[in-house]
Amino acid sequence: SYVLTQPPSVSVAPGQTARITCGGNNIGSKSVHWYQQKPGQAPVLVVYDDSDRPSGIPERFSGSNSGNTATLTISRVEAGDEADYYCQVWDSSSDRFGTGTKVTVL
Amino acid sequence: QVQLVESGGGVVQPGGSLRLSCAASGFTFSSYGMHWVRQAPGKGLEWVAFIRYDGSNKYYADSVKGRFTISRDNSKNTLYLQMNSLRAEDTAVYYCAKDLRTGGTDPDAFDIWGQGTMVTVSS
Repeated sequence: SYVLTQPPSVSVAPGQTARITCGGNNIGSKSVHWYQQKPGQAPVLVVYDDSDRPSGIPERFSGSNSGNTATLTISRVEAGDEADYYCQVWDSSSDRFGTGTKVTVL
Repeated sequence: QVQLVESGGGVVQPGGSLRLSCAASGFTFSSYGMHWVRQAPGKGLEWVAFIRYDGSNKYYADSVKGRFTISRDNSKNTLYLQMNSLRAEDTAVYYCAKDLRTGGTDPDAFDIWGQGTMVTVSS
C-alpha cells in the first residue's frame, strides 16, 4: 500500500515560516491535498491539488509537490495555526492520509 | 449554508452492527462524490469509503472491505455507512465528507466535513 510519511512535530516561533513535508514514492505525479485539524474539531481543507487554496484560506498557506516530497508552507505563523496537519492523496482505488504533523507555535 | 450532519453512532458489542447516516444540506447532493473518514481516539485520520455522485462506483479501505457498505439516497440527500462484524479497532469518530468538485471519475479533495459521530465497540 502507498505510505505517506510526515514528521511527527514541527515547532516554529510566531512570525516565522513552518514547512511540513509529506514523503511518498513519486508523490510528485499525484495531486496532494492538505488539511488542518484543531483539537475537538473536524479537519479543514487548506490546500488542494498541490498548491491551490480554497476560498477563505489565507495566502500564508501554500503548497508544492515534486519528486518524492510534497510540502505545506505556512508563512508568518500565528498562534491560531497551532494544529495537526495531514496530507492526502488518491492512489490505486484508495485514499491515503499522511501520518500527521503537530505544529506547535512557540 | 453547506452542511453535513452525521448521526447513528453509539456503543455496540464486538460482532455487532450499526448504521451511520449523514444528512446533507445547502448544496446539490446528487452531484458530488461522498466519503466516510474515521479517527480513532488520539490517532490520525483514516479514509474508510467513497461513493460516486450517482452511486455507480464504490471504494473501500482494506481494513473495512467486506464488513462495511457505503450507500446513498439522493432523493433524501443522505449518505449511509452500514457497519457489520464490528471490532474493537473500529472504535473511532466517523466523519462524512464531500468532494470538492463535481463530475470527477476519481475522488477529490474533501472540502466540507461533518462534525463526526462516535462509534465505540466494546463488551
